[in-house]
Amino acid sequence: AQSVTQPDIHITVSEGASLELRCNYSYGATPYLFWYVQSPGQGLQLLLKYFSGDTLVQGIKGFEAEFKRSQSSFNLRKPSVHWSDAAEYFCAVGAQAGTALIFGKGTTLSVSS
Amino acid sequence: GAVVSQHPSRVICKSGTSVKIECRSLDFQATTMFWYRQFPKQSLMLMATSNEGSKATYEQGVEKDKFLINHASLTLSTLTVTSAHPEDSSFYICSASHGLADTDTQYFGPGTRLTVL
Repeated sequence: AQSVTQPDIHITVSEGASLELRCNYSYGATPYLFWYVQSPGQGLQLLLKYFSGDTLVQGIKGFEAEFKRSQSSFNLRKPSVHWSDAAEYFCAVGAQAGTALIFGKGTTLSVSS
Repeated sequence: GAVVSQHPSRVICKSGTSVKIECRSLDFQATTMFWYRQFPKQSLMLMATSNEGSKATYEQGVEKDKFLINHASLTLSTLTVTSAHPEDSSFYICSASHGLADTDTQYFGPGTRLTVL
């Protein structure tokens, strides 16, 4: 079955520290992978996406993610977290970019000062 | 970038009434729109896929007679929750896609918070 797993429900990081959010997927075909961020009561904002090519993708707000096919992972990273990064982060997978997505349960990021 | 709007952003209604939520692609034509539902502290679950001019495709377990979806134009899709009950209270999010290429990203609306009393 197709699924996305985000093992960490809640992560707290000190401001200025590095961040890594984990995402593992199970998908029968070549996946299109996404990371979205959701602030409280808001919709989703696309951080980055991977379709093919270079397995390290750069996104907005200083985020990057690395696709590792052998590990079925697409972890999100940021070298230095800002307080404004506190939000809910969702990893998602789809057959194509414009098709319905399967989302993970999300990881809540808290940033401490 | 492409913008998707939803209206209303928040709605409170009485049990038994119907509520219509609009999803609009503001600066592009959306051949496909998706409706998702998000419960508090949980992920987004796809409810249905709607293509302009045709009937929506509902996911298993979603009542098509309760959640009526209409995609009458390339820029507008509506979700009507009929005879709403408190358990329908949720955050409803739509997304839209050009559908012109397999790399076209779908864009999400800001969501509609429905509370049924």
